[in-house]
Amino acid sequence: QVQLQESGPGLVKPSQTLSLTCTVSGDSISSDVYYWSWIRQPAGEGLEWIGRIYTSGNTNYNPSLKSRATISLDTSKNHFSLKLSSVTAADTAVYYCASQVQGVFRYWGQGILVTVSS
Amino acid sequence: QSVLTQPPSVSGAPGQRVTISCTGSSSNIGAGFDVHWYQRLPGTAPKVLIYAYVNRPSGVPDRFSGSKSGTSASLAITGLQAEDEADYYCQSYDTSLRGYVFGTGTKVTVL
Repeated sequence: QVQLQESGPGLVKPSQTLSLTCTVSGDSISSDVYYWSWIRQPAGEGLEWIGRIYTSGNTNYNPSLKSRATISLDTSKNHFSLKLSSVTAADTAVYYCASQVQGVFRYWGQGILVTVSS
Repeated sequence: QSVLTQPPSVSGAPGQRVTISCTGSSSNIGAGFDVHWYQRLPGTAPKVLIYAYVNRPSGVPDRFSGSKSGTSASLAITGLQAEDEADYYCQSYDTSLRGYVFGTGTKVTVL
């Protein structure tokens, strides 16, 4: 079973870049089975898909975030990362990483709360 | 950005049957994209409950079932148990938004 764990700063200042890493265990991030995704949920709001990356490096992003989000892979460390630039208070949320297969977010990390505040 | 609408809450007594609707449109469910359901227990990450409308991953009790009708999908829980108290989300793909979308979420309360 694939396990995922998010890590990164819990506090980011406005206008700066949010950086998170998702460490994968139980399978190789180079597997051609999964897309590796980021999803977030602001307090009191719904889940929002941010984007995903495939082992080839091909990425897809939520058009509402595309200009600010970048997802990358590090096969040597078996992890993938999210960078979200020019953050505002509206980016305060619990961020989840997940593995996706055939459209289903099959395995999820526990989530990490990131607060944007000065 | 939720384009899939769910009732905010449903409740039932232990042993009862409850259903959760997920209403979409011609750009997601109506376009033929699969609907998946997730359960999020308090303090935990979401877990796949139903995938591709009607399929249950191993380990999910058969008390949970899914269905589709037109531009909507539904999740039914029969024989409601206290441990089913959680938030439930539907999810699909939307061609207009060009991305994966989630429902607004439904809180299930066991009376």
